[in-house]
Amino acid sequence: GAGVSQTPSNKVTEKGKYVELRCDPISGHTALYWYRQSLGQGPEFLIYFQGTGAADDSGLPNDRFFAVRPEGSVSTLKIQRTERGDSAVYLCASSSQGAAGNTIYFGEGSWLTVV
Amino acid sequence: AQSVTQLGSHVSVSEGALVLLRCNYSSSVPPYLFWYVQYPNQGLQLLLKYTSAATLVKGINGFEAEFKKSETSFHLTKPSAHMSDAAEYFCAVSEFNDYKLSFGAGTTVTVRA
Repeated sequence: GAGVSQTPSNKVTEKGKYVELRCDPISGHTALYWYRQSLGQGPEFLIYFQGTGAADDSGLPNDRFFAVRPEGSVSTLKIQRTERGDSAVYLCASSSQGAAGNTIYFGEGSWLTVV
Repeated sequence: AQSVTQLGSHVSVSEGALVLLRCNYSSSVPPYLFWYVQYPNQGLQLLLKYTSAATLVKGINGFEAEFKKSETSFHLTKPSAHMSDAAEYFCAVSEFNDYKLSFGAGTTVTVRA
């Protein structure tokens, strides 16, 4: 497709389990972002990739969260030992380059529910 | 750090009436400013953005926003609401040298027939 694609669209998991969320950015976009949106709030920045490297992971809440982008395209957000507070929509986004003012295109999100 | 305040978590307008969504930012230097719309069960879609060119920015679907430095505001307007405008709207800001967006809490718009 032409847009940012995220899978799964919905995920229900038990507390303590491991979860992976996948993002396929727009073809040719070198910059990739992960945001998290909790109920009733705006998206919050988690991590930014320029190419294969995580250029800024300052938004990751703790060391249970990790993300990779091994070939500079698809990215996976990994959450270990999930907690109920991790329940949120995880949004992936991409842009042609990681420059200020560039338009950032968002996917439809992965809804994570931890029970 | 940048912050964004959206006044009013919910706005209800009649079809055909003016839509006005308020956004104020905190910054000592004029930043880049964005409005995104989120329809139910869909991703965020860019409505318009300000990147230090014209202060009045026109976007998609008849929306426009005006950057006012003296008021640190970037309010979104549409002269005549349509039923299809019912959605959640987010104002976002980034520093002039930063790629990260900081979002407001959002404003949900409902349109009455």
